[in-house]
Amino acid sequence: LAKTTQPISMDSYEGQEVNITCSHNNIATNDYITWYQQFPSQGPRFIIQGYKTKVTNEVASLFIPADRKSSTLSLPRVSLSDTAVYYCLVGDSQAGTALIFGKGTTLSVSS
Amino acid sequence: KAGVTQTPRYLIKTRGQQVTLSCSPISGHRSVSWYQQTPGQGLQFLFEYFSETQRNKGNFPGRFSGRQFSNSRSEMNVSTLELGDSALYLCASSPGQGARQDTEAFFGQGTRLTVV
Repeated sequence: LAKTTQPISMDSYEGQEVNITCSHNNIATNDYITWYQQFPSQGPRFIIQGYKTKVTNEVASLFIPADRKSSTLSLPRVSLSDTAVYYCLVGDSQAGTALIFGKGTTLSVSS
Repeated sequence: KAGVTQTPRYLIKTRGQQVTLSCSPISGHRSVSWYQQTPGQGLQFLFEYFSETQRNKGNFPGRFSGRQFSNSRSEMNVSTLELGDSALYLCASSPGQGARQDTEAFFGQGTRLTVV
């Protein structure tokens, strides 16, 4: 499974757009990129998943460049409730069923 | 649709004891995975069950075991508890054949185990 590198922490203010970039230099052809969000003392929650280009849903966008060696999670107009840890996962759909979580990025949103 | 339910939410045990944690997956989900989360090691995969069979296992000692019942409910057991087993234990259920990298895993709120 490809190793991912994310910033340990980020700070933002309410109403701003936040972009969290994840580096995955040795991503394989069959690998998908998935982001999860976790609040303290709760289980992670799926945010978005993509394979290439851009994916958008009601809460976030995921930008994946052509070489797929990195990806950027974009959270539009964050609020205080977006303060959480964000995990980037990269894995092959055929390689097994374990989700491999890295250290994640702690996002702190202030008013 | 009810989410993943884990019981109990909190548990305090003494070193050397054993503990059993329970997980009820989302209705219709047949895959259940277990994870341990600690401040030092982060989220680590324990094992995964599908149709009552363990399909994948993480790098944990044999004191950690689990099982899945015919209704997809799962239990994990930790024997001879050590202080280092204090952690948040999370259960996740997935549709289809498992928490594959291209499918969404639904996590419960976890069981907070404290070993004293």
